[in-house]
Amino acid sequence: DSGVTQTPKHLITATGQRVTLRCSPRSGDLSVYWYQQSLDQGLQFLIQYYNGEERAKGNILERFSAQQFPDLHSELNLSSLELGDSALYFCASSPLAGDADTQYFGPGTRLTVL
Amino acid sequence: GQQVMQIPQYQHVQEGEDFTTYCNSSTTLSNIQWYKQRPGGHPVFLIQLVKSGEVKKQKRLTFQFGEAKKNSSLHITATQTTDVGTYFCAGPRAGSYQLTFGKGTKLSVIP
Repeated sequence: DSGVTQTPKHLITATGQRVTLRCSPRSGDLSVYWYQQSLDQGLQFLIQYYNGEERAKGNILERFSAQQFPDLHSELNLSSLELGDSALYFCASSPLAGDADTQYFGPGTRLTVL
Repeated sequence: GQQVMQIPQYQHVQEGEDFTTYCNSSTTLSNIQWYKQRPGGHPVFLIQLVKSGEVKKQKRLTFQFGEAKKNSSLHITATQTTDVGTYFCAGPRAGSYQLTFGKGTKLSVIP
């Protein structure tokens, strides 16, 4: 158990819908990262927040957005969902924001878009 | 942009055989990290290498960081069924807090 929690575990929805994925980092960690893992694409970095502010942006679509709240939990919002958005979405956290930081991954949310 | 390549993509070994996965970056890395993801699980941090030419061992696992800090390897001696999973290397993107992950090497161990 990494100490990072993600809800829900599974999500099944239809194309065109909007969903929100939630992540609570390990106690004391200030950084939260979101990743998308598709079958043949490995781990794609989406976005990072550090202490409530956006710190780095990866290959995140405009239909996706995220935020980190004052209590440091984070939400990833996915809208106008397409079949290709079906994937595992992982949240990770680290103590600070440095590139040397170990990242601790949550169990993931499996999103299925029908 | 920065690319992190891993080979092989898949590896099937007989239990007791050795296994090696290689990681190559298109740019020099300040450090490299290795993660393991068991089937149905999430990536779990294994180790971080920082110094040029660094070698670290964890029981049957040996990690190396190249002299030029652009490549790394993970070697497992005498594989066991508990070693099954996908092994990822990851390096920080220059000037960014972002980690770039390789696509991983999926290891299967035949008992």
